Amino acid sequence: QVQLKESGPGLVQPSQTLSLTCTVSGFSLTSNSVHWVRQPPGKGLEWVGAIWSGGSTDYNSALKSRLSISRDTSKSQVFLKMNSLQTEDTAIYFCTRRDYFDYWGQGVMVTVSS
Amino acid sequence: DIQMTQSPPSLSASLGDKVTITCQASQNINKYIAWYQQKPGKAPRQLIRYTSTLVSGTPSRFSGSGSGRDYSFSISNVESEDIASYYCLQYDNLPYTFGAGTKLELK
Repeated sequence: QVQLKESGPGLVQPSQTLSLTCTVSGFSLTSNSVHWVRQPPGKGLEWVGAIWSGGSTDYNSALKSRLSISRDTSKSQVFLKMNSLQTEDTAIYFCTRRDYFDYWGQGVMVTVSS
Repeated sequence: DIQMTQSPPSLSASLGDKVTITCQASQNINKYIAWYQQKPGKAPRQLIRYTSTLVSGTPSRFSGSGSGRDYSFSISNVESEDIASYYCLQYDNLPYTFGAGTKLELK
């Protein structure tokens, strides 16, 4: 069955780089897009960016200068890297499938704090 | 960017009530709207995509409609398991954008 699972550090220091991994199963990355969505504590959902089935990427313009999304299809993994983290980047980060977000991972809480 | 104006921010209902949430897009989104349910501490769960297509496993008491800029989502006969927050998403144009959410509570 389709599954996505995020992993990464729970705590990141300000100005440092966040690295998250989304490991998927039950579908192919070469046939499906994977997106990242984040949710600050107690707030709404924000689209972060995507890697499409062909390998191209799109990013939220507000984050574009700090963000990189890539993948390793042999390992069924998608990677998010965001640099120059600030406290405003504290959020639950989800990975989700397809452009209508049909399946979601459980999310990983990332806290930016010294 | 397309703005999604979702209302109301919160809703109080009794069991068995019908409730309706609306999302208005800042431009035509060609029916590319999905609706999600989110319970505390959980990931969002897709209920409806492409305005009115119920995702497998979504109870028939949920429905969606609309066109152009204006869309609605309804729950008929609210059940206790429906107490959650609900979000709309437009996926017509990048960046994809969500409504601010509606918190459904029991009266």
